[in-house]
Amino acid sequence: NAGVTQTPKFQVLKTGQSMTLQCAQDMNHEYMSWYRQDPGMGLRLIHYSVGAGITDQGEVPNGYNVSRSTTEDFPLRLLSAAPSQTSVYFCASRSGAGGEKLFFGSGTQLSVL
Amino acid sequence: DQQVKQNSPSLSVQEGRISILNCDYTNSMFDYFLWYKKYPAEGPTFLISISSIKDKNEDGRFTVFLNKSAKHLSLHIVPSQPGDSAVYFCYGQGGSEKLVFGKGMKLTVNP
Repeated sequence: NAGVTQTPKFQVLKTGQSMTLQCAQDMNHEYMSWYRQDPGMGLRLIHYSVGAGITDQGEVPNGYNVSRSTTEDFPLRLLSAAPSQTSVYFCASRSGAGGEKLFFGSGTQLSVL
Repeated sequence: DQQVKQNSPSLSVQEGRISILNCDYTNSMFDYFLWYKKYPAEGPTFLISISSIKDKNEDGRFTVFLNKSAKHLSLHIVPSQPGDSAVYFCYGQGGSEKLVFGKGMKLTVNP
């Protein structure tokens, strides 16, 4: 049972480069989200989706794009990477029911030079 | 506007003693509260939750208390073990799909 799968695990980018962080879940969860974790800042919500075709902004959406074409996948795109986007990124999903817990991926460590 | 706050960034306790982690919230629409535990280089994992209709939920060594009038919840770990050393996050659900976490508290349990 794979759960939430994130790729890649590590990535180094140069300023201005673009890339996509992949996230896939096999639990048929309607809700998916992206967080970034920075020292002293906790987990901050970037974008989230309540179902295919529906996305919304979280606390820190600037510099990131998302789309949700399928229930399983929720990629996070950095169009022009900046050093401030150096962080650990986590994807999470849960079923649509209230009170259901979030399941997290193992994270992507991104460094922007 | 951070709706969930963990005001203490760290806590250090001796093995066998009680650890108490606190979380304050501002949103009265929350109907569930969840605690997560995170080890370095791993994703957060679910620990325990509580519905807003309850004031206590217990699971083994872990107990979460909810005080709705004070908008405060706490996680008690008794007895604390070195393997409990991790960062703990809380968040609230309800009224919005925007699931916002507190900043986390680093717990260190010393042998």
